[in-house]
Amino acid sequence: GQQLNQSPQSMFIQEGEDVSMNCTSSSIFNTWLWYKQDPGEGPVLLIALYKAGELTSNGRLTAQFGITRKDSFLNISASIPSDVGIYFCAGHVASGTYKYIFGTGTRLKVLA
Amino acid sequence: KAGVTQTPRYLIKTRGQQVTLSCSPISGHRSVSWYQQTPGQGLQFLFEYFSETQRNKGNFPGRFSGRQFSNSRSEMNVSTLELGDSALYLCASSRNFLREWVDGYTFGSGTRLTVV
Repeated sequence: GQQLNQSPQSMFIQEGEDVSMNCTSSSIFNTWLWYKQDPGEGPVLLIALYKAGELTSNGRLTAQFGITRKDSFLNISASIPSDVGIYFCAGHVASGTYKYIFGTGTRLKVLA
Repeated sequence: KAGVTQTPRYLIKTRGQQVTLSCSPISGHRSVSWYQQTPGQGLQFLFEYFSETQRNKGNFPGRFSGRQFSNSRSEMNVSTLELGDSALYLCASSRNFLREWVDGYTFGSGTRLTVV
């Protein structure tokens, strides 16, 4: 199936460090979403982006909608143990199917 | 406000059997989408329902089907189960079809299906 390229696949970081991850696509999207999934649970929406160049924050999280509309970035500042999980990007396809394409996920582990 | 409720949470089935999974969306949400999540393939779109009609369908075989009821609750069915159908099946709801991009989806906790 169709997926977005998300990197890195996994990260091990020390508590207090900043984290950066990104999603890239060959297609143009008109919306980007970032989700976090805890083990055994469904993804939870963190940030939604609707315009190219848009920069949006949610607490320690900041996400940006790339100018080319083909990429997006998520940054987490001063990581804490509860940031552990899998982070997914999702791009909304501006086509007849009107559905989201999900990234492959970035697995984050925080070392205390 | 209750979230998206999926039942059952866990299920073990034998190859060749069929299974039905249930999803109750958030009150007031009328669009329900289903995703399959596996370690190798990530989140793959199955189908989306709105007003009891299937609006979109992903690239899955005909063994995967779904329906939506007048109260917006949805079920998905997988017939003739295969080992490769083992996955976490996630349901997501949104207020309206064609407006998911405004609010994004709200996901349920999923049903973990194991086919043996």
